[in-house]
Amino acid sequence: EAGVAQSPRYKIIEKRQSVAFWCNPISGHATLYWYQQILGQGPKLLIQFQNNGVVDDSQLPKDRFSAERLKGVDSTLKIQPAKLEDSAVYLCASSLRTSGRSSNEQFFGPGTRLTVL
Amino acid sequence: AQSVAQPEDQVNVAEGNPLTVKCTYSVSGNPYLFWYVQYPNRGLQFLLKYITGDNLVKGSYGFEAEFNKSQTSFHLKKPSALVSDSALYFCAVRVSGYSSASKIIFGSGTRLSIRP
Repeated sequence: EAGVAQSPRYKIIEKRQSVAFWCNPISGHATLYWYQQILGQGPKLLIQFQNNGVVDDSQLPKDRFSAERLKGVDSTLKIQPAKLEDSAVYLCASSLRTSGRSSNEQFFGPGTRLTVL
Repeated sequence: AQSVAQPEDQVNVAEGNPLTVKCTYSVSGNPYLFWYVQYPNRGLQFLLKYITGDNLVKGSYGFEAEFNKSQTSFHLKKPSALVSDSALYFCAVRVSGYSSASKIIFGSGTRLSIRP
């Protein structure tokens, strides 16, 4: 079974530039997550999709971050414009579902390491 | 507030010795608890989870975790550590999120270092 794919693996940009990350979840996984992991900290949920709908974006800085999941499969996360404090690893994860009593574990991609200079 | 805490930034253990990585939680209702491991330049990998039932949960790579409701803890354990166990370990708990969807929140992580 193929895992969660992410690209690019590394990205270096200057502040105020734009950047986009791509994620392809495991086939059949309805729920997709984007996390931000700053060095030395645990992952922080940015946005959660159920199929192609957003179910939680309460911690997404909406003035500069946006995400979409067209057709309920692939997803892109965009930052425009980037700030120095956006330097982090951006992790994508997917799971079968999160409804009701489901506790399906999340499967993570390798992440994209973003450096903002 | 619902949260999960890992009180140790780093744990150092000699190879062959038992290891424990600590985790405590604060949630409303019955907790769903997880442990993940992160190797350098790789994403998080699922180790084990507790939902209900036996308080001792067995997972991947010989790891196990003990759920203790009275102490609100979910410590990760292994009877005999290997050098290859050296990695960053995250405890996580499922909480009710925005719009009633559940989500997982992660602890700050504990770096486990196994010396030969």
